[in-house]
Amino acid sequence: GAVVSQHPSRVICKSGTSVKIECRSLDFQATTMFWYRQFPKKSLMLMATSNEGSKATYEQGVEKDKFLINHASLTLSTLTVTSAHPEDSSFYICSARGLAGAKNIQYFGAGTRLSVL
Amino acid sequence: EDKVVQSPLSLVVHEGDTVTLNCSYEVTNFRSLLWYKQEKKAPTFLFMLTSSGIEKKSGRLSSILDKKELFSILNITATQTGDSAIYLCAHLIAGTASKLTFGTGTRLQVTL
Repeated sequence: GAVVSQHPSRVICKSGTSVKIECRSLDFQATTMFWYRQFPKKSLMLMATSNEGSKATYEQGVEKDKFLINHASLTLSTLTVTSAHPEDSSFYICSARGLAGAKNIQYFGAGTRLSVL
Repeated sequence: EDKVVQSPLSLVVHEGDTVTLNCSYEVTNFRSLLWYKQEKKAPTFLFMLTSSGIEKKSGRLSSILDKKELFSILNITATQTGDSAIYLCAHLIAGTASKLTFGTGTRLQVTL
């Protein structure tokens, strides 16, 4: 149980284009999902908290208009990197919060490696 | 600002060795400490520690929390090459929607 699927696993795009990353909870409903960014040899940095049916909560320093988050259903959150630039190249990981007895545990997707040329 | 510090940053051991990974924290409103294992991509959940002094165990892995010293350790006995990974410690922030503050991680390499 508690499987989170993230797609795509790898994307290469040209500077100026937009990229959408999907995060799905496969066997449970997730009212809250999280988006992280991880730089090489660094830890996970929380970008935003995605709440089903409402606006995402962004961490300080994260541009809302740059990283659009949509959580339209209980099993799907999307992160769109708009007008991507080379400095946006990174590893993006999503997680979903468990329910009931495991509500404080986050289950992670496999991540998306974004390369902006 | 909450801070989670892990040590060592990296570690190389031989198969069969026992290792201890450290996690110290300086946070306001402590709630819980979580350990994750990150192999290639997705971190996988290992333990959640809320109470001091109660050891959590899963096979060769165990972890314990000391809330007085603001410290947790993760032990791995009889290490195997499959234990090679980055081990992440994270503080669960109280009063929020289960936000986590991660430490820098410890990169463990187990060699034959």
